[in-house]
Amino acid sequence: AQSVAQPEDQVNVAEGNPLTVKCTYSVSGNPYLFWYVQYPNRGLQFLLKYITGDNLVKGSYGFEAEFNKSQTSFHLKKPSALVSDSALYFCAVRVLSNDYKLSFGAGTTVTVRA
Amino acid sequence: DGGITQSPKYLFRKEGQNVTLSCEQNLNHDAMYWYRQDPGQGLRLIYYSQIVNDFQKGDIAEGYSVSREKKESFPLTVTSAQKNPTAFYLCASSSRTGKTDTQYFGPGTRLTVL
Repeated sequence: AQSVAQPEDQVNVAEGNPLTVKCTYSVSGNPYLFWYVQYPNRGLQFLLKYITGDNLVKGSYGFEAEFNKSQTSFHLKKPSALVSDSALYFCAVRVLSNDYKLSFGAGTTVTVRA
Repeated sequence: DGGITQSPKYLFRKEGQNVTLSCEQNLNHDAMYWYRQDPGQGLRLIYYSQIVNDFQKGDIAEGYSVSREKKESFPLTVTSAQKNPTAFYLCASSSRTGKTDTQYFGPGTRLTVL
């Protein structure tokens, strides 16, 4: 079985401050981890993914994420948040098996205030 | 959203009616997926297809049906057997169902039952 948890429903930060969106996972195998962003009434946009190698993954729009195997976490970060980063963020996980499935977290709403 | 189109953007259905949601992709992707999004629940997989003329049930297939007659198209029918169909429906595609492949999403269809 595989699952992913996003422990915070909402994250509020001021523009220019660091942004962190938390994600933890539970899998029985090597995880492949993804982050997506969704703006209101739109589809999901891919931000970045961790497959193997360097634990720090850089993605679109200045976002990065750090894979931590011992803590089973894959937190999304941005050094300096913008008002335009306000959106719904999803973490997702897939494992190495015959199961293709991508399991999504419930999402975290990020609000960046000017 | 580029490369995957969904129509209509908004759809209203009376109870007891079947409705079909369209999903088309021009990315030459082999695999296509349908997800349902409800507030606070993340995305749940309805059906997926790895190849033309073949598809498999996801986690919540009851009350839904699909077809995959062409590589580019993967329509979803919401039948009258679906008890609570009001939701946001997202279509996605990927180049294959390998574990590292990224799923790309369409803009979504919001279905409301009147």
